[in-house]
Amino acid sequence: DTEVTQTPKHLVMGMTNKKSLKCEQHMGHRAMYWYKQKAKKPPELMFVYSYEKLSINESVPSRFSPECPNSSLLNLHLHALQPEDSALYLCASRPTQGNQPQHFGDGTRLSIL
Amino acid sequence: GQNIDQPTEMTATEGAIVQINCTYQTSGFNGLFWYQQHAGEAPTFLSYNVLDGLEEKGRFSSFLSRSKGYSYLLLKELQMKDSASYLCAVRGSTLGRLYFGRGTQLTVWP
Repeated sequence: DTEVTQTPKHLVMGMTNKKSLKCEQHMGHRAMYWYKQKAKKPPELMFVYSYEKLSINESVPSRFSPECPNSSLLNLHLHALQPEDSALYLCASRPTQGNQPQHFGDGTRLSIL
Repeated sequence: GQNIDQPTEMTATEGAIVQINCTYQTSGFNGLFWYQQHAGEAPTFLSYNVLDGLEEKGRFSSFLSRSKGYSYLLLKELQMKDSASYLCAVRGSTLGRLYFGRGTQLTVWP
Protein backbone atom coordinates (compact mmCIF):
# COMPACT_ATOMS: atom_id res chain seq x y z
CA ASP A 1 0.00 0.00 0.00
CA THR A 2 1.21 3.50 -0.80
CA GLU A 3 0.37 6.65 1.10
CA VAL A 4 -0.37 8.51 -2.10
CA THR A 5 -3.80 7.52 -3.38
CA GLN A 6 -4.78 7.88 -7.02
CA THR A 7 -8.21 7.41 -8.54
CA PRO A 8 -9.39 5.93 -10.74
CA LYS A 9 -6.99 3.03 -11.19
CA HIS A 10 -8.10 2.53 -14.79
CA LEU A 11 -9.78 4.92 -17.20
CA VAL A 12 -10.93 4.45 -20.77
CA MET A 13 -12.13 7.53 -22.59
CA GLY A 14 -12.87 8.77 -26.06
CA MET A 15 -11.03 11.62 -27.68
CA THR A 16 -13.95 14.01 -27.12
CA ASN A 17 -14.48 13.17 -23.45
CA LYS A 18 -13.58 15.27 -20.43
CA LYS A 19 -12.34 13.42 -17.37
CA SER A 20 -10.18 14.08 -14.31
CA LEU A 21 -7.53 12.13 -12.47
CA LYS A 22 -7.27 12.58 -8.73
CA CYS A 23 -4.35 12.30 -6.34
CA GLU A 24 -4.52 12.60 -2.56
CA GLN A 25 -1.92 12.48 0.21
CA HIS A 26 -2.16 13.22 3.92
CA MET A 27 1.53 13.23 4.79
CA GLY A 28 1.75 17.01 4.86
CA HIS A 29 3.92 17.06 1.74
CA ARG A 30 3.89 20.46 0.04
CA ALA A 31 5.53 19.37 -3.22
CA MET A 32 3.43 17.30 -5.60
CA TYR A 33 4.21 15.96 -9.05
CA TRP A 34 2.48 14.51 -12.11
CA TYR A 35 4.35 12.06 -14.32
CA LYS A 36 3.47 10.23 -17.52
CA GLN A 37 4.96 6.78 -18.11
CA LYS A 38 4.82 4.74 -21.28
CA ALA A 39 5.56 1.01 -21.29
CA LYS A 40 9.22 0.13 -20.73
CA LYS A 41 10.15 3.81 -20.35
CA PRO A 42 11.01 5.85 -17.25
CA PRO A 43 8.50 8.33 -15.81
CA GLU A 44 8.46 11.71 -17.59
CA LEU A 45 7.81 14.76 -15.47
CA MET A 46 4.75 16.80 -16.48
CA PHE A 47 4.02 19.26 -13.66
CA VAL A 48 5.35 20.26 -10.25
CA TYR A 49 3.34 22.04 -7.57
CA SER A 50 5.02 23.65 -4.60
CA TYR A 51 2.83 25.05 -1.82
CA GLU A 52 -0.19 24.66 -4.08
CA LYS A 53 1.37 26.82 -6.80
CA LEU A 54 2.28 25.50 -10.23
CA SER A 55 6.06 25.76 -10.36
CA ILE A 56 7.07 23.61 -13.33
CA ASN A 57 5.21 22.83 -16.54
CA GLU A 58 7.35 20.68 -18.81
CA SER A 59 5.79 22.08 -21.99
CA VAL A 60 2.78 19.83 -21.58
CA PRO A 61 -0.02 20.28 -24.16
CA SER A 62 -2.96 22.32 -22.93
CA ARG A 63 -5.29 19.33 -23.20
CA PHE A 64 -3.77 18.40 -19.82
CA SER A 65 -4.77 20.90 -17.12
CA PRO A 66 -3.46 20.45 -13.57
CA GLU A 67 -5.10 21.81 -10.46
CA CYS A 68 -4.09 21.84 -6.81
CA PRO A 69 -7.16 22.89 -4.77
CA ASN A 70 -5.47 22.34 -1.39
CA SER A 71 -2.33 20.92 0.16
CA SER A 72 -3.64 17.33 0.07
CA LEU A 73 -5.19 17.16 -3.38
CA LEU A 74 -3.87 17.25 -6.90
CA ASN A 75 -6.04 16.87 -9.98
CA LEU A 76 -5.27 16.41 -13.64
CA HIS A 77 -8.09 17.46 -15.96
CA LEU A 78 -8.15 15.82 -19.36
CA HIS A 79 -9.87 17.06 -22.50
CA ALA A 80 -9.63 16.14 -26.17
CA LEU A 81 -6.83 13.66 -25.62
CA GLN A 82 -5.08 11.77 -28.40
CA PRO A 83 -4.39 8.02 -28.65
CA GLU A 84 -0.71 8.67 -27.94
CA ASP A 85 -1.71 10.02 -24.54
CA SER A 86 -2.52 6.48 -23.44
CA ALA A 87 -0.10 5.77 -20.59
CA LEU A 88 0.27 5.27 -16.87
CA TYR A 89 -0.14 8.59 -15.05
CA LEU A 90 1.70 8.75 -11.76
CA CYS A 91 1.36 11.22 -8.93
CA ALA A 92 4.12 11.72 -6.37
CA SER A 93 4.72 13.89 -3.32
CA ARG A 94 7.54 14.80 -0.98
CA PRO A 95 8.33 17.28 1.77
CA THR A 96 9.80 20.50 0.44
CA GLN A 97 12.70 20.38 2.92
CA GLY A 98 15.40 17.78 3.42
CA ASN A 99 16.44 14.76 1.39
CA GLN A 100 13.24 12.76 1.56
CA PRO A 101 12.38 10.74 -1.55
CA GLN A 102 9.31 11.22 -3.67
CA HIS A 103 6.50 8.82 -2.76
CA PHE A 104 4.53 7.57 -5.74
CA GLY A 105 0.89 6.60 -6.00
CA ASP A 106 -0.15 3.42 -7.81
CA GLY A 107 -1.04 5.41 -10.90
CA THR A 108 -3.99 5.64 -13.26
CA ARG A 109 -3.83 3.47 -16.36
CA LEU A 110 -5.35 5.65 -19.09
CA SER A 111 -6.49 4.37 -22.47
CA ILE A 112 -7.69 6.72 -25.20
CA LEU A 113 -9.94 5.19 -27.84
CA GLY B 1 21.22 18.86 -20.29
CA GLN B 2 20.84 15.82 -18.10
CA ASN B 3 22.27 12.44 -19.00
CA ILE B 4 21.71 9.37 -16.85
CA ASP B 5 22.85 6.02 -18.17
CA GLN B 6 22.17 2.51 -16.93
CA PRO B 7 22.07 -0.88 -18.64
CA THR B 8 18.79 -1.85 -20.28
CA GLU B 9 18.65 -5.45 -19.11
CA MET B 10 20.38 -7.80 -16.69
CA THR B 11 19.80 -11.39 -15.69
CA ALA B 12 20.89 -13.30 -12.60
CA THR B 13 20.18 -16.49 -10.70
CA GLU B 14 18.23 -16.85 -7.49
CA GLY B 15 20.53 -16.50 -4.47
CA ALA B 16 23.19 -14.63 -6.41
CA ILE B 17 24.42 -11.03 -6.14
CA VAL B 18 23.87 -8.46 -8.87
CA GLN B 19 25.23 -4.94 -9.30
CA ILE B 20 23.36 -2.38 -11.39
CA ASN B 21 25.50 0.56 -12.44
CA CYS B 22 24.40 4.12 -13.13
CA THR B 23 26.46 6.99 -14.49
CA TYR B 24 25.24 10.54 -14.64
CA GLN B 25 26.05 14.00 -15.93
CA THR B 26 23.65 16.61 -14.61
CA SER B 27 23.70 20.36 -14.18
CA GLY B 28 22.75 20.12 -10.50
CA PHE B 29 23.00 17.37 -7.91
CA ASN B 30 21.05 16.95 -4.70
CA GLY B 31 21.18 13.22 -4.30
CA LEU B 32 20.82 9.99 -6.25
CA PHE B 33 17.83 7.72 -5.72
CA TRP B 34 17.07 4.14 -6.62
CA TYR B 35 13.52 2.94 -7.22
CA GLN B 36 12.12 -0.51 -7.94
CA GLN B 37 9.17 -0.84 -10.28
CA HIS B 38 7.26 -4.01 -11.01
CA ALA B 39 5.34 -4.10 -14.29
CA GLY B 40 2.15 -2.06 -14.11
CA GLU B 41 2.88 -0.81 -10.61
CA ALA B 42 4.21 2.39 -9.07
CA PRO B 43 7.91 2.94 -8.43
CA THR B 44 8.85 2.19 -4.83
CA PHE B 45 11.76 3.87 -3.12
CA LEU B 46 14.75 1.64 -2.32
CA SER B 47 17.73 3.77 -1.37
CA TYR B 48 19.42 7.12 -1.79
CA ASN B 49 22.87 8.66 -1.49
CA VAL B 50 23.72 12.30 -1.15
CA LEU B 51 27.31 11.86 0.10
CA ASP B 52 30.01 9.56 -1.23
CA GLY B 53 30.05 6.05 0.11
CA LEU B 54 27.92 3.02 0.72
CA GLU B 55 24.41 2.94 2.16
CA GLU B 56 23.15 -0.47 3.28
CA LYS B 57 19.50 -1.42 3.77
CA GLY B 58 19.05 -5.14 4.29
CA ARG B 59 19.62 -7.01 1.03
CA PHE B 60 20.03 -3.74 -0.87
CA SER B 61 23.04 -1.41 -0.85
CA SER B 62 23.77 1.67 -2.88
CA PHE B 63 27.08 3.37 -3.53
CA LEU B 64 27.89 6.86 -4.77
CA SER B 65 31.00 8.58 -6.10
CA ARG B 66 30.16 12.19 -6.91
CA SER B 67 33.55 12.93 -8.43
CA LYS B 68 33.08 10.09 -10.92
CA GLY B 69 29.36 10.67 -11.50
CA TYR B 70 28.78 7.03 -10.66
CA SER B 71 26.47 4.96 -8.52
CA TYR B 72 25.54 1.33 -8.20
CA LEU B 73 22.77 -0.65 -6.59
CA LEU B 74 23.81 -3.99 -5.12
CA LEU B 75 21.21 -6.67 -4.57
CA LYS B 76 22.20 -9.70 -2.48
CA GLU B 77 20.54 -13.09 -2.01
CA LEU B 78 18.39 -12.54 -5.05
CA GLN B 79 14.82 -13.75 -4.96
CA MET B 80 12.36 -14.29 -7.78
CA LYS B 81 10.33 -11.32 -6.55
CA ASP B 82 13.33 -9.06 -7.26
CA SER B 83 12.56 -9.38 -10.97
CA ALA B 84 11.60 -5.79 -11.80
CA SER B 85 12.81 -2.59 -13.39
CA TYR B 86 15.33 -0.59 -11.33
CA LEU B 87 15.34 3.14 -11.90
CA CYS B 88 18.29 5.38 -11.15
CA ALA B 89 17.26 9.00 -10.59
CA VAL B 90 19.22 12.15 -9.85
CA ARG B 91 17.61 14.97 -7.91
CA GLY B 92 18.31 18.30 -9.52
CA SER B 93 18.46 21.76 -8.00
CA THR B 94 14.89 22.81 -8.71
CA LEU B 95 12.01 21.81 -6.45
CA GLY B 96 13.33 18.32 -5.88
CA ARG B 97 12.66 17.23 -9.44
CA LEU B 98 14.07 13.85 -10.44
CA TYR B 99 15.84 13.00 -13.65
CA PHE B 100 15.37 9.31 -14.38
CA GLY B 101 17.55 6.87 -16.23
CA ARG B 102 15.76 4.56 -18.66
CA GLY B 103 15.62 1.75 -16.07
CA THR B 104 17.32 -1.64 -15.88
CA GLN B 105 15.04 -4.65 -16.33
CA LEU B 106 16.34 -7.37 -14.00
CA THR B 107 15.22 -10.95 -14.52
CA VAL B 108 15.96 -13.45 -11.77
CA TRP B 109 15.98 -17.09 -12.85
CA PRO B 110 15.43 -20.08 -10.53
